[in-house]
Amino acid sequence: GQSLEQPSEVTAVEGAIVQINCTYQTSGFYGLSWYQQHDGGAPTFLSYNGLDGLEETGRFSSFLSRSDSYGYLLLQELQMKDSASYFCGPRGAGRRALTFGSGTRLQVQP
Amino acid sequence: NAGVTQTPKFQVLKTGQSMTLQCAQDMNHEYMSWYRQDPGMGLRLIHYSVGAGITDQGEVPNGYNVSRSTTEDFPLRLLSAAPSQTSVYFCASSYPGQAQYFGPGTRLTVT
Repeated sequence: GQSLEQPSEVTAVEGAIVQINCTYQTSGFYGLSWYQQHDGGAPTFLSYNGLDGLEETGRFSSFLSRSDSYGYLLLQELQMKDSASYFCGPRGAGRRALTFGSGTRLQVQP
Repeated sequence: NAGVTQTPKFQVLKTGQSMTLQCAQDMNHEYMSWYRQDPGMGLRLIHYSVGAGITDQGEVPNGYNVSRSTTEDFPLRLLSAAPSQTSVYFCASSYPGQAQYFGPGTRLTVT
């Protein structure tokens, strides 16, 4: 089975850096994905880690440590538009159900 | 490409009614899935399919049926709607092991 845990809510100020953690227990693990969802919108893909270490995409970075079953999403130079929910999920190979963590709601304050 | 499309965008049903939520994708993705999202909550997997003719249950399959007769289409059927099925329904598709693309969602209210 799969189990992913994230904090339910994080608050930060504009221009700051915030880290959203994800711990997981899953079999057949092939990597960790991150998705962003604005209120009223659909989830959109942000980032993926297939190997241990840091992946950087602009202001967003994601980290994975498979030995610790742990990953995080790092958002730098926070902007008001980053206020959204962020979901971590395992990336399976082939014939697997893809479930998500319960999501972290990020509130960026001025 | 239109990506993943869902119809209808909004729907109100009475308890006991049945209906089908439509989902289509034009990216030739093998993997398709249905999620429901209750207010302020995460995404819960209802059913998924790894290819035409193959479907399987997710976390919360009760009260829903799916079929996958073509690669493009993955309809979700509510057999007898209940107020507990009031939710936003998202369809998603991907290549196996790749990022999922989500449709815009169907907002369903059951009274």
